[in-house]
Amino acid sequence: SQKIEQNSEALNIQEGKTATLTCNYTNYSPAYLQWYRQDPGRGPVFLLLIRENEKEKRKERLKVTFDTTLKQSLFHITASQPADSATYLCALYNYGQNFVFGPGTRLSVLP
Amino acid sequence: GAGVSQSPSNKVTEKGKDVELRCDPISGHTALYWYRQSLGQGLEFLIYFQGNSAPDKSGLPSDRFSAERTGGSVSTLTIQRTQQEDSAVYLCASSQPLGDRGREGYTFGSGTRLTVV
Repeated sequence: SQKIEQNSEALNIQEGKTATLTCNYTNYSPAYLQWYRQDPGRGPVFLLLIRENEKEKRKERLKVTFDTTLKQSLFHITASQPADSATYLCALYNYGQNFVFGPGTRLSVLP
Repeated sequence: GAGVSQSPSNKVTEKGKDVELRCDPISGHTALYWYRQSLGQGLEFLIYFQGNSAPDKSGLPSDRFSAERTGGSVSTLTIQRTQQEDSAVYLCASSQPLGDRGREGYTFGSGTRLTVV
C-alpha cells in the first residue's frame, strides 16, 4: 500500500545549525513533491515545490532535494532560528490524483 | 478575500447532532479541497471540487459526510449524526485554476476544530 513517512516525529536542534528533515515514500511515483509549514492552530503554509525531474530546489535558507531512486526528499533549513520552530509536512502529488500528506515532523530550534 | 476563511473556528457538538462547516476560498480559485487532521496525524483527504465538474468524493469516510459548493465559491461540509471519532480539525484549501494543479501549492484556511462530546 502507499505510504509516506517523515522520519523523526520531533527534531530538536540548536539555533544556527542546519535542520534536515526527511520524507520517504513507498509504492508511489509522485510527479511533484511539496513541503509545508504548520504552526499550532493554523493551516499548513506552502513553502517549496520540487518536480520529479529536479534534483534540488532552493529558496532563501531552505533547500529541498528529491531522489526518485531512493524515493526520498530531504528538507534543509540552514542557519536555523527559533522562529523556524513548527511542524513541517511533505506532500506528494501525481496527475489526476490529490495531494497526499505525510504525518509531519515537529521541529524545535533551541536558542 | 485575501485568504481562505473558515467558520466557525471551534465547534462543540453533542453526539448524534448534525454540523455544518463553512469555507470561503480565495476569490478566483476554482479548486477547493477539504481535509481532516486528527491530533498528531497527517492530513486526510476528504473531497475535492474543481469548477463545474463533479466533485471527487473518494475520501469521504462514510455517507454521514457530504459537501456542496454553491456558485463555484463557498463550500459547506456537513456531518450528520456526529460520532466522537469525527472529532478533528477540518481544513479547507483552495488553489489556482491550473490544468496541472500539482504545480501550485494549496492555500489553507485555519480550520474548524470540531469536538463531539
